[in-house]
Amino acid sequence: EADIYQTPRYLVIGTGKKITLECSQTMGHDKMYWYQQDPGMELHLIHYSYGVNSTEKGDLSSESTVSRIRTEHFPLTLESARPSHTSQYLCASSDGAGLGTEAFFGQGTRLTVV
Amino acid sequence: AQSVTQLGSHVSVSEGALVLLRCNYSSSVPPYLFWYVQYPNQGLQLLLKYTSAATLVKGINGFEAEFKKSETSFHLTKPSAHMSDAAEYFCAVTGIQGAQKLVFGQGTRLTINP
Repeated sequence: EADIYQTPRYLVIGTGKKITLECSQTMGHDKMYWYQQDPGMELHLIHYSYGVNSTEKGDLSSESTVSRIRTEHFPLTLESARPSHTSQYLCASSDGAGLGTEAFFGQGTRLTVV
Repeated sequence: AQSVTQLGSHVSVSEGALVLLRCNYSSSVPPYLFWYVQYPNQGLQLLLKYTSAATLVKGINGFEAEFKKSETSFHLTKPSAHMSDAAEYFCAVTGIQGAQKLVFGQGTRLTINP
């Protein structure tokens, strides 16, 4: 049973506001990821982390930032939201203990910036 | 570098018919391949994965996929479609290096006709 949680599920916010999308997992996984999913379904990696105090940019450039102070928590922050940030954001984690281990996904946060 | 191409952004089949979703990969290292399913307003759920053991992989909900190195393919099949199979399907690849980041295809929307 995968235990990875994202809050909020849906968020509508005005331009210029600062927002934080929360992601927590209770599986003790070292690796965590943020994906952005556009309306055409495609998923793009925007941030990942190998473990505590480790964060890296993903393949798609993003104005968001992340932090990894605790193993279980990997929040994503937008300092000033813009309509171009409107998207679905999916958080995932994997234990990476063996090769080919799968990633477990949260239910996603659908962000709309107006 | 690794990439995945899913042929057909939208596939429509009749209930009870064969489901075939196509995935071709490109990888400079031995690949690990995954199929995920996404239901509306949900995160991604693992259907099955290939990790260099058996080339024919069986997953949940009656799905299976066959790894064919000569064709660089990992197509997903199900003998008899059910209405509940309607969803988005994503093929993904990761390698033995790096943070085991998943690289996704663009997704295929499966519609089941009654």
